[in-house]
Amino acid sequence: SQQGEEDPQALSIQEGENATMNCSYKTSINNLQWYRQNSGRGLVHLILIRSNEREKHSGRLRVTLDTSKKSSSLLITASRAADTASYFCATATSNTGKLIFGQGTTLQVKP
Amino acid sequence: DAGVIQSPRHEVTEMGQEVTLRCKPISGHDYLFWYRQTMMRGLELLIYFNNNVPIDDSGMPEDRFSAKMPNASFSTLKIQPSEPRDSAVYFCASSLAGGQRKLFFGSGTQLSVL
Repeated sequence: SQQGEEDPQALSIQEGENATMNCSYKTSINNLQWYRQNSGRGLVHLILIRSNEREKHSGRLRVTLDTSKKSSSLLITASRAADTASYFCATATSNTGKLIFGQGTTLQVKP
Repeated sequence: DAGVIQSPRHEVTEMGQEVTLRCKPISGHDYLFWYRQTMMRGLELLIYFNNNVPIDDSGMPEDRFSAKMPNASFSTLKIQPSEPRDSAVYFCASSLAGGQRKLFFGSGTQLSVL
């Protein structure tokens, strides 16, 4: 069953603009992770935010987490054509290591 | 580090045939996951192992699917008999133990059942 739902399903922007993707989930979590998937490839881990954290940065990525609203957002600043990919949030509900993925947001960055 | 290695990269088979997908996790990782990805259902967790032991197989669609991990460096996912609705990309991923784990994914096996 899907834990996360992402919004929007698809996003198209110009190079240099910022891209924001949102993820909502249903149950309490241990941590939330974001992954990127280029066409025809496996998923690549981007960033992890713990349930007791509210914001985290990694290069041009900024992730926020609001556990009261059961939602997270991923912001990619100064986007590049190479950022074109699908982005997935994934939630871990315990320390078992089990990750449940959302449906993903497809991002297109036009040069 | 070679990463997670999956084989074959592509598999085309006919309905009713047996299909075996293979995975070699990253050395030292003690968790292994099998996911299936389709347009309709997204990424679904099928089964995962810890120290070669199956922990949760609740995502395995039906008895036609089975997975094994005979040792720390090898796992298989078998479908017998295969059906057209099994067509999907199957991913293997591995991770280290610990409370905060990130998954390392293989490149996937694109399965087409005709």
